[in-house]
Amino acid sequence: GAVVSQHPSWVICKSGTSVKIECRSLDFQATTMFWYRQFPKQSLMLMATSNEGSKATYEQGVEKDKFLINHASLTLSTLTVTSAHPEDSSFYICSASPFLGPDSPLHFGNGTRLTVT
Amino acid sequence: GQQLNQSPQSMFIQEGEDVSMNCTSSSIFNTWLWYKQDPGEGPVLLIALYKAGELTSNGRLTAQFGITRKDSFLNISASIPSDVGIYFCAGRPRTSGTYKYIFGTGTRLKVLA
Repeated sequence: GAVVSQHPSWVICKSGTSVKIECRSLDFQATTMFWYRQFPKQSLMLMATSNEGSKATYEQGVEKDKFLINHASLTLSTLTVTSAHPEDSSFYICSASPFLGPDSPLHFGNGTRLTVT
Repeated sequence: GQQLNQSPQSMFIQEGEDVSMNCTSSSIFNTWLWYKQDPGEGPVLLIALYKAGELTSNGRLTAQFGITRKDSFLNISASIPSDVGIYFCAGRPRTSGTYKYIFGTGTRLKVLA
């Protein structure tokens, strides 16, 4: 149980274009999902918390107009990287939990490798 | 963003050896999680710890929630080649008003056959 699916697994785009990444909880509903970013050989850094039916909460230093998050249903959150630039190239990973409480571990998707040329 | 201190950063061990790694923080955490990440994939949950002093096993893996609630340990016994990967700890601060987790800096494990 607690399977999180991400699509696409990798994407290459040209500088200035926008890219949408989908995160789905396959066997549970998630009112909250979390988007992380990981640079090569580094740890995971939380970008934002995606809330179903309301605005996402962004971490300090993350541009909300650059990284648009939409959580339209209890099983889907999307991250759109707008006007992508080479420095946005990274590994983006989403996570969710079947329930949100003190004993709720995060389950991660397989990540999306974004390369901006 | 805030990160947890994880050590060692990397280690090379012989197959069959035991492995120990730890995660420390200057603040108190309510939850500790341990993950393994293979190249190009998302982290996979190994063990979750919810109480100070808790000791939990998952096969050859054993993790402990430190008594001070500021640290956690992961041990792998009798390592095998497929244990290769990056191990991350993740903690949920007591002061966190949400359920956000902070990740450790990672321990890269390489097992020599």
